[in-house]
Amino acid sequence: DTGVSQDPRHKITKRGQNVTFRCDPISEHNRLYWYRQTLGQGPEFLTYFQNEAQLEKSRLLSDRFSAERPKGSFSTLEIQRTEQGDSAMYLCASSQDRANTEAFFGQGTRLTVV
Amino acid sequence: GENVEQHPSTLSVQEGDSAVIKCTYSDSASNYFPWYKQELGKRPQLIIDIRSNVGEKKDQRIAVTLNKTAKHFSLHITETQPEDSAVYFCAASYPGANNLFFGTGTRLTVIP
Repeated sequence: DTGVSQDPRHKITKRGQNVTFRCDPISEHNRLYWYRQTLGQGPEFLTYFQNEAQLEKSRLLSDRFSAERPKGSFSTLEIQRTEQGDSAMYLCASSQDRANTEAFFGQGTRLTVV
Repeated sequence: GENVEQHPSTLSVQEGDSAVIKCTYSDSASNYFPWYKQELGKRPQLIIDIRSNVGEKKDQRIAVTLNKTAKHFSLHITETQPEDSAVYFCAASYPGANNLFFGTGTRLTVIP
């Protein structure tokens, strides 16, 4: 499968623990996005990378969230001191380096904080 | 920022009938409007998109219309089939935006 891949697919964690998710974008895509999706809602933008540079972060990305894309390839999203409200599907997407082009999504990581 | 509203939230149609999903957007600068289909437990996938220099686009049984003046766009699915059952999301983006702004989704059920 040469699409966007995310790992793990599911994560259950206790409140207060740290979690880290990984995203591998389509290899030739320079742009990488993280979105969060809760039940009954559309994806909500979290952050955007162009190559290794994190160019935009939404207000949803609190101080407990950090994302990296160290070599401009895969990306990680870490949540520290998880809260029950962090329970959601975390989606990664990638696209070519031009505006208004198709974003290809991964299957997501479903996080449950208990 | 952009605000996208989507209606209806659920839609049931008989197989073979047409389905229409409508979205409105708030930022008149928005110029890119994709539609994504998300089947249960699967990733969102682009099914069609339209840019603001055109008013309508068709791809087999799927069409999207755009009314820039009214700031709304719609997805039309004709001759619906059970495999069309999914959640459909509209989205919008404006020049300079680094992300898509999604609607809240429409759960379409096609009854055989």
